[in-house]
Amino acid sequence: DAKTTQPTSMDCAEGRAANLPCNHSTISGNEYVYWYRQIHSQGPQYIIHGLKNNETNEMASLIITEDRKSSTLILPHATLRDTAVYYCIVRPTSGNTPLVFGKGTRLSVIA
Amino acid sequence: DAGVTQSPTHLIKTRGQQVTLRCSPISGHKSVSWYQQVLGQGPQFIFQYYEKEERGRGNFPDRFSARQFPNYSSELNVNALLLGDSALYLCASSLPPQGGSPLHFGNGTRLTVT
Repeated sequence: DAKTTQPTSMDCAEGRAANLPCNHSTISGNEYVYWYRQIHSQGPQYIIHGLKNNETNEMASLIITEDRKSSTLILPHATLRDTAVYYCIVRPTSGNTPLVFGKGTRLSVIA
Repeated sequence: DAGVTQSPTHLIKTRGQQVTLRCSPISGHKSVSWYQQVLGQGPQFIFQYYEKEERGRGNFPDRFSARQFPNYSSELNVNALLLGDSALYLCASSLPPQGGSPLHFGNGTRLTVT
């Protein structure tokens, strides 16, 4: 079972920041937080991952709370092409544990 | 650079038949994983291969099998197809399978069993 809880759906206006929350209250100190998204009819696309510190790349920013029990994925300027299902996943830092997907958050970016 | 490529993109089979799906990983990636995604659900883990050896298996029946070749490409085989096997089959590749190594997915093979 997935170790994360996400809202089922969210809307965001085009050009505004999209803030997608994720709860992972049972996360352990040796587990990463990963984010993927899946646009209709495509495979999941890796976005970003982090352990303790906030992370930023060309796609998004990941903000992890100090107690690591929750995180927020931020898309700074959402476009219509960001409409997708977003998955938050917890994964051990060592070993080859597979990704465990939940149902994710369906983000709709509205013009 | 080419991403993960899967073939075919779509496939229609009849109950009881067998199917083989193919995957080519990103160049330099030696680990390949297979996932099944039924409509409305997140992907579910089937197999992981690294250096041509099975390193993990999900909760799927023995009708599902896979292998990895010396060039790190992989095949997923499903025997005695059931209607419930209709799904999107996803292949993902990564550098050595460690927690900090992201998986990169192909766009999948859509299998329909009639």
